[in-house]
Amino acid sequence: DTGVSQDPRHKITKRGQNVTFRCDPISEHNRLYWYRQTLGQGPEFLTYFQNEAQLEKSRLLSDRFSAERPKGSFSTLEIQRTEQGDSAMYLCASSPPVGTDQFVSGNTIYFGEGSWLTVV
Amino acid sequence: AQSVTQLDSQVPVFEEAPVELRCNYSSSVSVYLFWYVQYPNQGLQLLLKYLSGSTLVKGINGFEAEFNKSQTSFHLRKPSVHISDTAEYFCAVTRYSSASKIIFGSGTRLSIRP
Repeated sequence: DTGVSQDPRHKITKRGQNVTFRCDPISEHNRLYWYRQTLGQGPEFLTYFQNEAQLEKSRLLSDRFSAERPKGSFSTLEIQRTEQGDSAMYLCASSPPVGTDQFVSGNTIYFGEGSWLTVV
Repeated sequence: AQSVTQLDSQVPVFEEAPVELRCNYSSSVSVYLFWYVQYPNQGLQLLLKYLSGSTLVKGINGFEAEFNKSQTSFHLRKPSVHISDTAEYFCAVTRYSSASKIIFGSGTRLSIRP
């Protein structure tokens, strides 16, 4: 399977604990995105990377959230001191490099299956 | 900044009936437009996208959408739906530029009645 891979798919944690999610993008995709989705809502943008550089962060990404992509390949999203309001599905996505094929890719992003977080 | 409004949170239709899911966007610059589908407990799958050219875009599973610049709309249509089309549908927009995030609407739940 050469799609976007996320791990774990499901995580139940107690309030106050730290959790980390991992995302492996499609190979050769240099851009990687994190979104959060709660029930009945569309995905909300959290942050994105181009290679290893974190180019944009949403105001939704509080100080308890940190994302890294140290080698420009896989990425991790860590949530410290989890709160019940953090319960959501965390979606990772990737997209190919902008360049000669931009007109074809058109910033299309490809999503993983998501990681469900339940904070109890 | 770009934004997307999906006018209907839920659309119930009978099997084999036609359906239209409405989407309006707002942007001060040129944009790309997308429709994604999400089946229960899964990630999002691209249905179709408008980049440029013909305003009528055909996607997977028999869906199509029409870009209307004057009305800033990108409505999704299917002439005859199937039970398997039951899912959440998201309209999305991104700025026509290098490396830009995609903004999603709040979604429309399509439920098909037999």
